[in-house]
Amino acid sequence: AQKVTQAQTEISVVEKEDVTLDCVYETRDTTYYLFWYKQPPSGELVFLIRRNSFDEQNEISGRYSWNFQKSTSSFNFTITASQVVDSAVYFCALIPNAGNNRKLIWGLGTSLAVNP
Amino acid sequence: NAGVMQNPRHLVRRRGQEARLRCSPMKGHSHVYWYRQLPEEGLKFMVYLQKENIIDESGMPKERFSAEFPKEGPSILRIQQVVRGDSAAYFCASSGTDFSTEAFFGQGTRLTVV
Repeated sequence: AQKVTQAQTEISVVEKEDVTLDCVYETRDTTYYLFWYKQPPSGELVFLIRRNSFDEQNEISGRYSWNFQKSTSSFNFTITASQVVDSAVYFCALIPNAGNNRKLIWGLGTSLAVNP
Repeated sequence: NAGVMQNPRHLVRRRGQEARLRCSPMKGHSHVYWYRQLPEEGLKFMVYLQKENIIDESGMPKERFSAEFPKEGPSILRIQQVVRGDSAAYFCASSGTDFSTEAFFGQGTRLTVV
């Protein structure tokens, strides 16, 4: 089965708190790609990061960081010192193969509310 | 370089009417993917097209929905005889020969069926 699970439906934090959004995936393929997207209230999909299955190095981009662990099939996303502008729905997604068909399999999303 | 363009941004249709959603890929891109975001259900893949070909339509409902990507012009997602359950946001993404679709999403079309 190919699946992405985001167990946290909604998270509410106070500004400046750190917050981690969980993502667990399932695929039998050895080559696959993982993604995070942000969907702000305006509704567009904003690409945040892509990670391929052979690159387990964690990544940091400003206040954002990602922890990829193949052993637990997880690709978690941490926002440090959250801000009100981080309020959005965040989606984790999977392309479960290395072929030309790059259709994404999506988690249901985590709605993050950052309160002042 | 213009991004993926979808129009209209908002579309209201009465039950039984037809809805046509357009997606113009980025310049030079010949692959288009359509996704639907239903309330409370997240995003689901619908169809993958290359110019003049449907490659994967495993996510398309069996009836009333069709998609095309002609040699010239935008990709069209067509919904015939719309019902209230078709109300959703429809997104398209495009890619070139490097198949890197993930960064190139349109802003979506929000279809409301009344």
